[in-house]
Amino acid sequence: DAGVIQSPRHEVTEMGQEVTLRCKPISGHNSLFWYRQTMMRGLELLIYFNNNVPIDDSGMPEDRFSAKMPNASFSTLKIQPSEPRDSAVYFCASTAVGSGANVLTFGAGSRLTVL
Amino acid sequence: SQELEQSPQSLIVQEGKNLTINCTSSKTLYGLYWYKQKYGEGLIFLMMLQKGGEEKSHEKITAKLDEKKQQSSLHITASQPSHAGIYLCGADRTTDSWGKFQFGAGTQVVVTP
Repeated sequence: DAGVIQSPRHEVTEMGQEVTLRCKPISGHNSLFWYRQTMMRGLELLIYFNNNVPIDDSGMPEDRFSAKMPNASFSTLKIQPSEPRDSAVYFCASTAVGSGANVLTFGAGSRLTVL
Repeated sequence: SQELEQSPQSLIVQEGKNLTINCTSSKTLYGLYWYKQKYGEGLIFLMMLQKGGEEKSHEKITAKLDEKKQQSSLHITASQPSHAGIYLCGADRTTDSWGKFQFGAGTQVVVTP
């Protein structure tokens, strides 16, 4: 298996632009998580899905952030409009809930810089 | 806000020395996970603990979950440069939440020659 695949790996954009981050979870995993990591705030849970349905989005900072999971093999995290304070590394992770031990497998992350 | 408190925030250890990292929760943990992260990379799973008093080891790394299941420790024996990185504890099940996988702030480990 190729693991959790995230794209792009690096994104540099200007304030006000729309940013879309993509994630392909591991085949067979039914739960997907989006995290944001910064030096100041550590690893923050933004939103997670079970069976493509958003379960908890209380970590999404504000309305500028949105996430979708149209099918079991694809999810997006969108920021519109982007701001410099959104600069961070965004991680996607997936697991197979119900298998007992819910070990998360992480992607390599998308490093976002908003100028 | 973080529900899992890690200590110390960072530590510097001389190669060959032992080190311990702690992870504390105010709620009972039903699944406690340890991950390691190298700068700029994703998290790598190390170990998972579920039962009070449980202890697991892999190579030179040992993790324990206390009897009350509210605190875990990660111990590295005879540290090596390969042990450098950020160690994070995570939990997906507590008395207040189920499935919401959250992490502590992490402990940065530096191993010096």
